[in-house]
Amino acid sequence: EAQVTQNPRYLITVTGKKLTVTCSQNMNHEYMSWYRQDPGLGLRQIYYSMNVEVTDKGDVPEGYKVSRKEKRNFPLILESPSPNQTSLYFCASSLRGSSYEQYFGPGTRLTVT
Amino acid sequence: KNQVEQSPQSLIILEGKNCTLQCNYTVSPFSNLRWYKQDTGRGPVSLTIMTFSENTKSNGRYTATLDADTKQSSLHITASQLSDSASYICVVSELSGGSYIPTFGRGTSLIVHP
Repeated sequence: EAQVTQNPRYLITVTGKKLTVTCSQNMNHEYMSWYRQDPGLGLRQIYYSMNVEVTDKGDVPEGYKVSRKEKRNFPLILESPSPNQTSLYFCASSLRGSSYEQYFGPGTRLTVT
Repeated sequence: KNQVEQSPQSLIILEGKNCTLQCNYTVSPFSNLRWYKQDTGRGPVSLTIMTFSENTKSNGRYTATLDADTKQSSLHITASQLSDSASYICVVSELSGGSYIPTFGRGTSLIVHP
């Protein structure tokens, strides 16, 4: 089944404790992206990747890192999480770019205390 | 800064009724416009996509329209069902430096009551 998977789905952590949210797609898509969704603000793009080893900042990249060493994986790294990073995170992928249909993962709900 | 404004912010209708959601944008240069449906607690799913030359696109009971001159789009839902209760997100992409940059609206929350 074609899909985007994220892990974990739910995470509660404390300020400053490094964490990684994994994202994997099995559709051989070139483009992958991370978004955060907050009430009243909608989806905001954190980072995106046009292909392996090619990543770029979105609208809200501060406090996040990403890597794209393999085509199928695009992990999101929070080196020192802070409470303002409490949010619902979505990973998405598309065939070539964001103008193509993006397929979203199920979401990761992160709480930083 | 490019913007995508959606209205209304929320909408409650009775099952079987029609409704129309609005999306106004300032994104330029325009590449395409998508409508996504997001069920509570799940990721968005694409409903329709329209490019500059298209002014209407249907997907079952969903019909999207686009007026590129006035930079407005609408999503019309016919004969609503309980399963239409969701958030509807308008996304407009611009082509910038060889990359497509999406700008997301904040969504319209639709509740369909029996």
